[in-house]
Amino acid sequence: EVQLVESGGGLVQPGGSLRLSCAASGFIFSHYGMTWVRQAPGKGLEWVSGTSGDDSRTNYADSVKGRFIISRDKSKNMLYLQMNSLRAEDTAIYYCAKAYASDWFFFDYWGQGSLVIVSS
Amino acid sequence: EIVVTQSPGTLSVSPGERATLSCRASQSLSSSLAWYQQKPGQAPRLLIYGASTRATAIPARFSGSGSATEFTLTISSLQSEDFAVYYCQQYNNWPLTFGGGTKLEIK
Repeated sequence: EVQLVESGGGLVQPGGSLRLSCAASGFIFSHYGMTWVRQAPGKGLEWVSGTSGDDSRTNYADSVKGRFIISRDKSKNMLYLQMNSLRAEDTAIYYCAKAYASDWFFFDYWGQGSLVIVSS
Repeated sequence: EIVVTQSPGTLSVSPGERATLSCRASQSLSSSLAWYQQKPGQAPRLLIYGASTRATAIPARFSGSGSATEFTLTISSLQSEDFAVYYCQQYNNWPLTFGGGTKLEIK
């Protein structure tokens, strides 16, 4: 059974940093693209960042480019999102999701999300 | 960036009736479009990919159609569990983009 479990969310001050983690199980982690998608309170889905199965291609939304970094540790089946220079508008539930295939970027499994609140 | 626009924002339909949701892209996606369902407090659930292929375990009452810039999700006979928010997502180009969502509510 595929499982994705996010952790690392919380309250952080504007300008601060936070690292989200996503523990993956139930599939061959290194074979699949992975992504982060966020949802601000009461709003729609916003794609944040993604990486291909072989990590040769990583991409970011313009809203986070230069501030967020996606990475993964294949030996631990972990996906990460390093978030720097956080702003109030980064407040959201952050979901990690598994891509259907290495380079097919729609998402067939999702975690339950980790809440990030950026506030002083 | 490809802009994806969903309409209507809210759709009121009675149980047992058909619902038709639209998604329009600012440039051609070929068939690189997915649909998701999201219920309150839950993560999104993949319904359709490749514009018209149902994901695993998705009931046959859900169908997708369209290509290029115009896409449609049809729910043929609404069940109580279908009332939710629906999102389309393009994966033809980076950055990936989602539509703003259509809330399907009980009439």
